[in-house]
Amino acid sequence: DAGVTQSPTHLIKTRGQQVTLRCSPKSGHDTVSWYQQALGQGPQFIFQYYEEEERQRGNFPDRFSGHQFPNYSSELNVNALLLGDSALYLCASTEDRYMNTEAFFGQGTRLTVV
Amino acid sequence: AQKITQTQPGMFVQEKEAVTLDCTYDTSDPSYGLFWYKQPSSGEMIFLIYQGSYDQQNATEGRYSLNFQKARKSANLVISASQLGDSAMYFCAMMRTGGGNKLTFGTGTQLKVEL
Repeated sequence: DAGVTQSPTHLIKTRGQQVTLRCSPKSGHDTVSWYQQALGQGPQFIFQYYEEEERQRGNFPDRFSGHQFPNYSSELNVNALLLGDSALYLCASTEDRYMNTEAFFGQGTRLTVV
Repeated sequence: AQKITQTQPGMFVQEKEAVTLDCTYDTSDPSYGLFWYKQPSSGEMIFLIYQGSYDQQNATEGRYSLNFQKARKSANLVISASQLGDSAMYFCAMMRTGGGNKLTFGTGTQLKVEL
């Protein structure tokens, strides 16, 4: 059973560009959350998707947007990249957003903005 | 709002010894869950252990146990019989029950296991 998969694993972008990161949740999971982890910090919640809609959002600007597809996979888009957007972006999936359940994480996409 | 505090940026432990990683939290929610995750250098977050706020007993999972003291708002992770493979970053996190599985993380503790 495949766990959470993310692509690409590494990415280098230039300031001002746009980027799309992809995530496939664990089989049977319908809720996908995205986190940003800056170097030396804990992950910070960006937003969450369930039933193809954004359900919760953390303290991130509108440059960060997302999408969830009917097969529960998700994309994270970041526009007008800033140097400060350089981070590890983690995708997590859960099977029941109403219960305290373990979140399964992918290996992340390491984004470097130059 | 929820907050997790991990005051130990780095810890060293000798192989086969036990180690305690500290975590304190702050929340006004009556029901919540506390988690510990391990993050090796590869980046993936690996779930270790969970404690519900209404659980009467401390959680245990193999060599991991969670020392939950609700009145003190602490949820320390105890790793027994440390192994070299335990060297990694460890994060304490919490979520509000019914809050859609959103996790709030601490800043982490880097654990190094030495021979």
